Amino acid sequence: EADIYQTPRYLVIGTGKKITLECSQTMGHDKMYWYQQDPGMELHLIHYSYGVNSTEKGDLSSESTVSRIRTEHFPLTLESARPSHTSQYLCASSDTGVSQPQHFGDGTRLSIL
Amino acid sequence: QKEVEQDPGPLSVPEGAIVSLNCTYSNSAFQYFMWYRQYSRKGPELLMYTYSSGNKEDGRFTAQVDKSSKYISLFIRDSQPSDSATYLCAGRGNTPLVFGKGTRLSVIA
Repeated sequence: EADIYQTPRYLVIGTGKKITLECSQTMGHDKMYWYQQDPGMELHLIHYSYGVNSTEKGDLSSESTVSRIRTEHFPLTLESARPSHTSQYLCASSDTGVSQPQHFGDGTRLSIL
Repeated sequence: QKEVEQDPGPLSVPEGAIVSLNCTYSNSAFQYFMWYRQYSRKGPELLMYTYSSGNKEDGRFTAQVDKSSKYISLFIRDSQPSDSATYLCAGRGNTPLVFGKGTRLSVIA
């Protein structure tokens, strides 16, 4: 059973606000990921990290930023939210090794008014 | 061309039916293939995981990979209403997973 937690589960907020989406995992996984998922669309990788102080941008360009100061924590930040940021954001983690599958949290559904 | 193509459905079947879900991929470097199940308002849950070509069976679920045709399949036997969900296929080589759009499945009692 994967133990990966995302907060908040739902967030409705006005344009221009700074937002931080939290993601924590208790499995000691080195690799963590952020995906964006719109209804009926595939998951798009927006950020990933292969360890502390390591972050990379994914395939989908995003105005968000991430940090990885601790192994278990991988927050995503939007400095100034816009309606175009409305989406579901999913966090995942995996153990070291190319064969290891990713385990997902239940996501944050973000709505920017 | 998207790296992983998947028919989004929706697919509706009666309870007890055999379900076949399929994906194609274009990246020859893919060696690891996964199927995830996603219920509404939840994150994807790993269902099946296969390496290279071949079959893998787990209870009512069978995953197949044919690398020669770049085709991956998931079969669900004796489908149940609780199988109603979106099924996502994914593949990877030495890079993060690439997902298909997902197929929405409804199993009608």
